[in-house]
Formats: sequence, C-alpha cells, structure tokens
Amino acid sequence: DAKTTQPPSMDCAEGRAANLPCNHSTISGNEYVYWYRQIHSQGPQYIIHGLKNNETNEMASLIITEDRKSSTLILPHATLRDTAVYYCIAPNLFFGTGTRLTVIP
Amino acid sequence: EAGVAQSPRYKIIEKRQSVAFWCNPISGHATLYWYQQILGQGPKLLIQFQNNGVVDDSQLPKDRFSAERLKGVDSTLKIQPAKLEDSAVYLCASSLEWDSNQPQHFGDGTRLSIL
Repeated sequence: DAKTTQPPSMDCAEGRAANLPCNHSTISGNEYVYWYRQIHSQGPQYIIHGLKNNETNEMASLIITEDRKSSTLILPHATLRDTAVYYCIAPNLFFGTGTRLTVIP
Repeated sequence: EAGVAQSPRYKIIEKRQSVAFWCNPISGHATLYWYQQILGQGPKLLIQFQNNGVVDDSQLPKDRFSAERLKGVDSTLKIQPAKLEDSAVYLCASSLEWDSNQPQHFGDGTRLSIL
C-alpha cells in the first residue's frame, strides 16, 4: 500500500541530468517527501527530503510542485555510479517499488 | 560516524527452523526500524522502536516474528518457525527521533534463504 507512484525504469546518458518524477497526490500537509536510492546488495541510502520548498544538497536537487502532489529528483550530472533503484516515499516508512535508473556510458 | 551494523550478512536455514538477526544502530539514534525486502520489491516496515518501546508493529507477523530492543540500543529480530516465504533481505535502519522528520540510515541487511 505504497503512497507514491514512480515509473518503473528510466535511462540517462552519462554526464546529463537525470530527472526522476514521483506522484504523491495523497500526501498530507505536514508530511515530508523523502528520496532514497539502493544499489545492488546494499541498504537504501538517504539522498534528500523536503516539505514545500525546493531543496538542494551535494547529491541532488528536489523540486516539489506548489500543490505538493508531485516532485522531481534531479541528479545534475549523472555518473555510472548513480545507477540504482530510486525510491520516493511519502509519508515516511512506506516504500513502493521505485524507479530503476540506468546511466548509460 | 559509524553506520548501522547488521549481522550475519547471509543466513541459510531450512523451513521450520529458527533464526535471529542482530542490529546495532548509529550511536545516539533513538529510533530503530526493521524492514523486510523481498526480491524485486521495496522495503516493507515490520516494526519501529523508540528507545526500547514499540511505536508500530502492525505489519509484524506476530505468530512467527518477534523483535526486542531491551536496552534501547541493539536490537534482535527473530523468526520461529521460518517459512519459505520468509526468504528476503532483512534491513535495519535508525534515525534520531521518530517524529523529527530526520532521515533513516540503513544497514546493508541480512540475506535470508529458506530451503
């Protein structure tokens, strides 16, 4: 009973920006949107989270729509090491199946 | 800082046997989570602790699964008896406080195979 919708897979050319969308139309007003990624055989790794405003850190940028029903994770210059499954979760603790991002040389 | 430690890394048992997993969270993290991740799926929350108290165990199959965090630090998750459908990776995560909107930090999990 995941609360988010993500495309199952995406490809991105190395060095280009990767834009990963997420729909979370049932999110409530005080629930944050979190993004994690999981590389094979490892546990999920936290990337970024936000409530209303756009956020940026050393890993990525998070763009949240004004109505908060969707968001986009942006990896500005994708590398081969960014190949992973990316999870958008809102509310916290409910993971769906994520988006498998493949960065192509 | 040291990350979340889990052991063992792999475990193979036969159905109807018992198994236990151990987790040591990041120092100072009050909240601890156990997840089950079946192949091809996202992690599913089993139980959440705040210090040594249970916050949420609604998705824990209590007829066979149990978990404890006696001193509010380390935790163990036990399955007794194991079924074939319990084959999965069991992930432990920790965060500072359960309602602080702080992100979770995950260990690399224990991969359980049931024969």
